[in-house]
Amino acid sequence: AQSVSQHNHHVILSEAASLELGCNYSYGGTVNLFWYVQYPGQHLQLLLKYFSGDPLVKGIKGFEAEFIKSKFSFNLRKPSVQWSDTAEYFCAVRRNTGFQKLVFGTGTRLLVSP
Amino acid sequence: EAGVAQSPRYKIIEKRQSVAFWCNPISGHATLYWYQQILGQGPKLLIQFQNNGVVDDSQLPKDRFSAERLKGVDSTLKIQPAKLEDSAVYLCASSLGRAATYNSPLHFGNGTRLTVT
Repeated sequence: AQSVSQHNHHVILSEAASLELGCNYSYGGTVNLFWYVQYPGQHLQLLLKYFSGDPLVKGIKGFEAEFIKSKFSFNLRKPSVQWSDTAEYFCAVRRNTGFQKLVFGTGTRLLVSP
Repeated sequence: EAGVAQSPRYKIIEKRQSVAFWCNPISGHATLYWYQQILGQGPKLLIQFQNNGVVDDSQLPKDRFSAERLKGVDSTLKIQPAKLEDSAVYLCASSLGRAATYNSPLHFGNGTRLTVT
């Protein structure tokens, strides 16, 4: 069965620190990859997505993610976090063949201290 | 554009009672999803509708959960009877086309937080 792993469940950073959140998936076929963010009290929002082309994807608010096919990874990065980045981040994977269900990871809760 | 609307925001019930959640997707969105998010876990797809037909309900506990999408617009999700392990946030999402294609991302509602005591 397809699974999505986010190994960092909780991350605490100071403002201006660099961020990297890990995401690995188990499916071997062609996939589409997403990062969603949920700010406190708000709904899930799409941060960025990868479908094809340049494996380095840029999203909103200075976030980027790199798809490394050989490592089945899609790690999220931001060079300098802000207090407003405090949120829960979810990686999600969708198979590009067959029934295309979106499968989410368990999430990483990020706390940025001012 | 108006977002995905869900109600109620919070619900507390005792086990063995029944409960219903309502979702109004973004206007014109053909695909509607119900996800269950248990504390500490990522959202899990319960059921997906394409217009008013069910596309996938493989993870819906059909002995107690039911969902419908009459007329291909609003949807309700019902639990009867509820169990303690049903405590979770129930998220509704919609997309213009099917299943998160490039030009058809999922838009989520704020969810309904259910507590079963």
